[in-house]
Amino acid sequence: SAVISQKPSRDICQRGTSLTIQCQVDSQVTMMFWYRQQPGQSLTLIATANQGSEATYESGFVIDKFPISRPNLTFSTLTVSNMSPEDSSIYLCSVGDVMGLGEKLFFGSGTQLSVL
Amino acid sequence: AQKITQTQPGMFVQEKEAVTLDCTYDTSDPSYGLFWYKQPSSGEMIFLIYQGSYDQQNATEGRYSLNFQKARKSANLVISASQLGDSAMYFCAMGLSGTYKYIFGTGTRLKVLA
Repeated sequence: SAVISQKPSRDICQRGTSLTIQCQVDSQVTMMFWYRQQPGQSLTLIATANQGSEATYESGFVIDKFPISRPNLTFSTLTVSNMSPEDSSIYLCSVGDVMGLGEKLFFGSGTQLSVL
Repeated sequence: AQKITQTQPGMFVQEKEAVTLDCTYDTSDPSYGLFWYKQPSSGEMIFLIYQGSYDQQNATEGRYSLNFQKARKSANLVISASQLGDSAMYFCAMGLSGTYKYIFGTGTRLKVLA
């Protein structure tokens, strides 16, 4: 199983600023993902981080707001840009592992973001 | 459209008792996987158990078992001998074969009482 280190674990930020979240995996993985969990809500996929190419964003999420980097097979960053209070959420990095028909996801410990 | 439904926003269980967390799903794809994750107050997502759509037997992992009823499209999580440390949010999720996209339910908050 993959061990995922995510940092920062939490942050409090001012409106209009940006925060970059880092995700480091202890082994090379093909697929890395970024999820958002708004307060009291379920997880929503933001994008798939592709190594060597642009991230693939889900409907409702755009690169200008959530730029993602994936320089190699063990590391990715997500930036939350020009933050507003609506961006207050838990952001989770996850990686894919093959497990039968479904692809089991491993998650980082999450970044709890509060925007004032 | 694929969907996961968890109808219990909150549950209480007495320590050492068993508890069942409900999950129903909807998909027209014959190949899929069903997962349960635990999210403690610290925020991380912890994988608990997996059931593939073609698995004949219900999955078990220690105190966790998955009551898979394919015809009813349900995948309920059973936790036996509940412990105080089981208090957390529990999410049911579905992944489709050949894709890494997961659909998560809205979660059930479980509180284990001493």
